[in-house]
Amino acid sequence: KNQVEQSPQSLIILEGKNCTLQCNYTVSPFSNLRWYKQDTGRGPVSLTIMTFSENTKSNGRYTATLDADTKQSSLHITASQLSDSASYICVVSRTPLVFGKGTRLSVIA
Amino acid sequence: DAGITQSPRYKITETGRQVTLMCHQTWSHSYMFWYRQDLGHGLRLIYYSAAADITDKGEVPDGYVVSRSKTENFPLTLESATRSQTSVYFCASGPAGGLSSYEQYFGPGTRLTVT
Repeated sequence: KNQVEQSPQSLIILEGKNCTLQCNYTVSPFSNLRWYKQDTGRGPVSLTIMTFSENTKSNGRYTATLDADTKQSSLHITASQLSDSASYICVVSRTPLVFGKGTRLSVIA
Repeated sequence: DAGITQSPRYKITETGRQVTLMCHQTWSHSYMFWYRQDLGHGLRLIYYSAAADITDKGEVPDGYVVSRSKTENFPLTLESATRSQTSVYFCASGPAGGLSSYEQYFGPGTRLTVT
């Protein structure tokens, strides 16, 4: 069964600290892997999209990595801000898209 | 430039009632989608449409009906609402390019409660 597992389920960090969110998937084959940010009460917004041949992709303070051999992806957030508090969803592109359940990140002052 | 909008944003209805959730996008995207999001589950695809008058089932289509007479609109109807359909519903749209390769842009969501 095609699955996307994210860890941790939730995370609390201090403002200014770095953190890394994990995504393990069993989906194969796939065209790309995406990370979305979902603020409370809003729809998901795309952060990065990586094809299976890409190893890393950055978007400002967000850096996503992909290891197709181990079927793992990570999202690293640098110098976290209060506005980074949100759910982060890993999505693997097949038909249909396969969504992880997300990691809930809380950044506190 | 509104992008993609959903209405209503909140809805409470009774079991057995018919409910229609509206979705409108201003980008002229070919693809449109309906998802539901529940605690303990990732987003799950209900129905999608590749173009006007072309719709197809997703992962959880039972109890839902869709239509797409115009490119910009993609309403979702619950013909006889059940408590298990209490959820947050997201509409999304995306340009042509293959079902799994395009970008998707999500609306703000509709929180539906069925009592």
